[in-house]
Amino acid sequence: QAGLTQPPSVSKDLRQTATLTCTGNSNNVGNQGAAWLQQHQGHPPKLLSYRNDNRPSGISERFSASRSGNTASLTITGLQPEDEADYYCSAWDSSLSAWVFGGGTKLTVL
Amino acid sequence: EVQLVESGGGLVQPGGSLRLSCAASGFVFSSYWMHWVRQSPAKGLVWVSGINGDGSGTTYADSVKGRFTVSRDNARHTLYLQMNSLRAEDTAVYYCVRESAAFDIWGQGTMVTVSS
Repeated sequence: QAGLTQPPSVSKDLRQTATLTCTGNSNNVGNQGAAWLQQHQGHPPKLLSYRNDNRPSGISERFSASRSGNTASLTITGLQPEDEADYYCSAWDSSLSAWVFGGGTKLTVL
Repeated sequence: EVQLVESGGGLVQPGGSLRLSCAASGFVFSSYWMHWVRQSPAKGLVWVSGINGDGSGTTYADSVKGRFTVSRDNARHTLYLQMNSLRAEDTAVYYCVRESAAFDIWGQGTMVTVSS
């Protein structure tokens, strides 16, 4: 099943802003919106946002998500060392009747 | 505390079978769709299967359709994944995941290795 497209890696300086992207199509991101997950090495993924711009309780306001057409974005402001992790997007694909994920973006905080 | 704890992973030969379990606690288990998602270095995160709250509806990824069966026991707050005809490409960490608008709660995962 086709997945969502994410850049493999992004590097940003400490305290800067990183914007990660996730591109799908009108059957997934463009229709149902996307969720964003953070995964640190050796740990399960953790939900950061859902339906484009909703944050679960306990998630820092430094994480914000948005969508434009078939592309979802996650913006992380004031980068901290602990933000260094893999970030995945996910969405329900109504054409495939399946959940799809992006390949993940490894964020490095310099 | 909301928690999902998987068990049942291990080493199995190609063509073999394995049953994974996921014990849920801290929430009304029967109110949620539950899913299995697997992760391997080669393929990243891949959705495997899902089941609705009362167990009457199930969905599967094409790659496991006909080989895997998802089920749940709401009285025991437990989710299952019966995996048959296992292949090398099924090797992965298998996560039990709750769906609430998105995959909001993840277990720690259980490793499944298919190898001779």
